[in-house]
Amino acid sequence: DIVLTQSPALAVSLGQRATISCRASQSVSTSSYNLMHWYQQKPGQQPKLLIYDASNLASSIPARFSGSGSGTDFTLTINPVQADDIATYYCQQSRELPYTFGAGTKLELK
Amino acid sequence: EVQLVESGGGLVQPGRSMKLSCAASGFTFNNYDMAWVCQAPKKGLEWVATISYDGSSTYYRDSVKGRFTISRDNAKSTLYLQMDSLRSEDTATYYCARICGYLDYFDYWGQGVMVTVSS
Repeated sequence: DIVLTQSPALAVSLGQRATISCRASQSVSTSSYNLMHWYQQKPGQQPKLLIYDASNLASSIPARFSGSGSGTDFTLTINPVQADDIATYYCQQSRELPYTFGAGTKLELK
Repeated sequence: EVQLVESGGGLVQPGRSMKLSCAASGFTFNNYDMAWVCQAPKKGLEWVATISYDGSSTYYRDSVKGRFTISRDNAKSTLYLQMDSLRSEDTATYYCARICGYLDYFDYWGQGVMVTVSS
C-alpha cells in the first residue's frame, strides 16, 4: 500500500500563510497526472474536496487555497489563513488501490 | 445540487450484519463510480470499497474482503454496503462518496452514518 505521511498539526496566525505537506512512500504521478488530492474536514462534518490532481482547485473553493507537487512530495498552501480554515486537512492518492489517505494535519491558531 | 444521504447505521453485535444505504440525487447516478469511505472515532479516513458506474466491477480494501459487499441500484439511484461478520474494529462513521472521472478523487460526500459494533 502507498503510505502518505503528514505532520499531525500546524499552528498558524490568522492572515499568515499555512503550508501543509504530504509525502508518499512511492510516486503517485503518471506521465499525465499527479494523482494526489486534498480534503478539508471540520469537526462533525464530512470531508470536502479542495484540490484534485495536485494543483486543480475544486469548484467553489476560494483561491487562497492552492496545491503543488509531483512524484512523492506534495503541498497544500492556504494564504492568507482565515478563521474558517481551522480544520483537519487530508491528502489522498488514487495512483493505485487501495486508495489511501494521510493521517491528517490539524490546522490550529497560534 | 448533488446530495448523498446515508442511512441504516446504528448499534450491532459482533458477528452480526448491517446494510447501509446511500440515496443520491442532483446528478445522473449511473454515470459515476461510487465509493464508501470510513472514519473510526477520532481517527483518519480509510477507503472501504468502490463500485463502477454500472455495477460490473467492485474493489475492496483487504480488511473487508469477503465480509462487505458494495452494490448499487441505478434505477433507484441508491448505493449499498452490506456488512457481514462485523467486528469491533469496523466501528466507524461510513461516508458514501461520488468518484469523479478517471482521476478517482471523491468530489461529493454524504453526511455519514455511524456504525457501532459492540456487545
